[in-house]
Amino acid sequence: KQEVTQIPAALSVPEGENLVLNCSFTDSAIYNLQWFRQDPGKGLTSLLLIQSSQREQTSGRLNASLDKSSGRSTLYIAASQPGDSATYLCAVKTDSWGKFQFGAGTQVVVTP
Amino acid sequence: DVKVTQSSRYLVKRTGEKVFLECVQDMDHENMFWYRQDPGLGLRLIYFSYDVKMKEKGDIPEGYSVSREKKERFSLILESASTNQTSMYLCASSGPPGLAGGPREQYFGPGTRLTVT
Repeated sequence: KQEVTQIPAALSVPEGENLVLNCSFTDSAIYNLQWFRQDPGKGLTSLLLIQSSQREQTSGRLNASLDKSSGRSTLYIAASQPGDSATYLCAVKTDSWGKFQFGAGTQVVVTP
Repeated sequence: DVKVTQSSRYLVKRTGEKVFLECVQDMDHENMFWYRQDPGLGLRLIYFSYDVKMKEKGDIPEGYSVSREKKERFSLILESASTNQTSMYLCASSGPPGLAGGPREQYFGPGTRLTVT
């Protein structure tokens, strides 16, 4: 069974520093990988989706890389801001229709 | 923009009550999902549906059932609520698979925080 791990569980950085969030998965046979942001008490907002054939995906200050062979993805957030404080989750798509397996998330605090 | 709505943001029910959680999406998506989210455990899939009147068990279906009578609506039912079902419930939807299975993002609703006393 696919297992998705996110380390660390929590992270605190001063404003302006770059954020590096890690996601690892045990089975490299994935269809794609999606990164989400979750604010306290809210639903999940999609940030980036990387197809299994891609190596990276970028959107503004966000960049996500994917190394299927080693079972890893990294989300980079450049020049962090207090508004980036949230929990970030990664999820891998495990079947051709749409079933995802989620990591437990990394809680990020960006201090002014 | 894709919109996934859930019938309640907060719900308080008593042990033994029958509870209905409703989810509606407006993008004509085939796939719909119900998750629960608990601290330290992340999101766990309860049930999902690939089409109308079709349902599949996820990782933790015990104590739950679902209904999908219309494409846009997916309901989660707690037949007899128990305190261990106190949780945040999240509904999601996604379109059919494209070439090579993607990209088909999941879109989430705002969540329902259910408390069973």
